[in-house]
Amino acid sequence: DTGVSQDPRHKITKRGQNVTFRCDPISEHNRLYWYRQTLGQGPEFLTYFQNEAQLEKSRLLSDRFSAERPKGSFSTLEIQRTEQGDSAMYLCASSFSTDQPQHFGDGTRLSIL
Amino acid sequence: QKEVEQDPGPLSVPEGAIVSLNCTYSNSAFQYFMWYRQYSRKGPELLMYTYSSGNKEDGRFTAQVDKSSKYISLFIRDSQPSDSATYLCAMSAGGNNRLAFGKGNQVVVIP
Repeated sequence: DTGVSQDPRHKITKRGQNVTFRCDPISEHNRLYWYRQTLGQGPEFLTYFQNEAQLEKSRLLSDRFSAERPKGSFSTLEIQRTEQGDSAMYLCASSFSTDQPQHFGDGTRLSIL
Repeated sequence: QKEVEQDPGPLSVPEGAIVSLNCTYSNSAFQYFMWYRQYSRKGPELLMYTYSSGNKEDGRFTAQVDKSSKYISLFIRDSQPSDSATYLCAMSAGGNNRLAFGKGNQVVVIP
């Protein structure tokens, strides 16, 4: 049973660089979510896909952030011109339908030098 | 006021004790309620999932939802050192199923 897979697990980069994270959801799940978690806080919703369509974006998702799910399978989250405040754990989750729970990957930890 | 309130204070209990955790919320549209367990440097792992009010039991874990009071609880019986983790409550209104989380409770079970 393969769960949600995220890559890389840890990314260290200099301020101002661009970074891209990948998420592979559970295979039959058509809904995919991105969340951000900072130390001592619960995850915060960033964006949501149903198949390849991005249906909702949080106010937290500034114009430096972009997410894609080109074929309705894996998704990428890109952050351009990274800032210190972007340091966080970026979590991906997937679910089969609205009334089914979301299952999370182990996240990508982003550290900005 | 945050949508979901969870007192983040660390909780230390002796092995075998009952752990009691709770969250309150303000959005009356929430109808799906979850508890996740998160170990250090790992993603949240689903423990309990309930719809609307009522109780649900799974092994040593019991989840309770009281929609009239906007209050949910998680009880862990016969706690084990392996239960030491952060416990996050989460809820959604359905639809896009965006989850709103509490801050999490760090639980330490002392052998």
